[in-house]
Amino acid sequence: GQNIDQPTEMTATEGAIVQINCTYQTSGFNGLFWYQQHAGEAPTFLSYNVLDGLEEKGRFSSFLSRSKGYSYLLLKELQMKDSASYLCAVRDSNYQLIWGAGTKLIIKP
Amino acid sequence: DTGVSQNPRHKITKRGQNVTFRCDPISEHNRLYWYRQTLGQGPEFLTYFQNEAQLEKSRLLSDRFSAERPKGSFSTLEIQRTEQGDSAMYLCASSSFRDSDYEQYFGPGTRLTVT
Repeated sequence: GQNIDQPTEMTATEGAIVQINCTYQTSGFNGLFWYQQHAGEAPTFLSYNVLDGLEEKGRFSSFLSRSKGYSYLLLKELQMKDSASYLCAVRDSNYQLIWGAGTKLIIKP
Repeated sequence: DTGVSQNPRHKITKRGQNVTFRCDPISEHNRLYWYRQTLGQGPEFLTYFQNEAQLEKSRLLSDRFSAERPKGSFSTLEIQRTEQGDSAMYLCASSSFRDSDYEQYFGPGTRLTVT
């Protein structure tokens, strides 16, 4: 079966750094996506990795290791507005997105 | 605004009634997806279209669900004989079949409540 695992909830402090991990087992791999979703809103795209390594985009970075079936999203200089759910999704051999349940990130002052 | 739009944003219906939702994708996108999302879960794939062709439908999808994209532009999702378990957020997303860039852009969703 296909499976995406990520922690249910994490808490971090404003101004700090947090790493959200994602492990996956899918039928084929054609890229991994991270999306941000605020409560009651639609997901918005954050990052895309298809090759091993780190992709940096401002305060957000995403890392991929295909051999380990592992990715993480790194958020630096946390702001209160970063409080949201972070969804990991893998595009499988049929180019369909398989979604994790999301990690709810709580930022405390 | 040239993003993905969905109507209505909220729908409350009684069990057994039929409901229809509409999605207007980004105009140059030829792929359109429907997802269902419940609280604390990621989006669950329902179906997707490439242009007007429905290429895949989730095996978990009941026969009460049907989707169309008649002219390869907007799409409708109909749920017949709604059940309380159908209560969820229904999300539409679109993407462009361009090289390897298949990022999906989501609409604001339609929240369905079945009473």
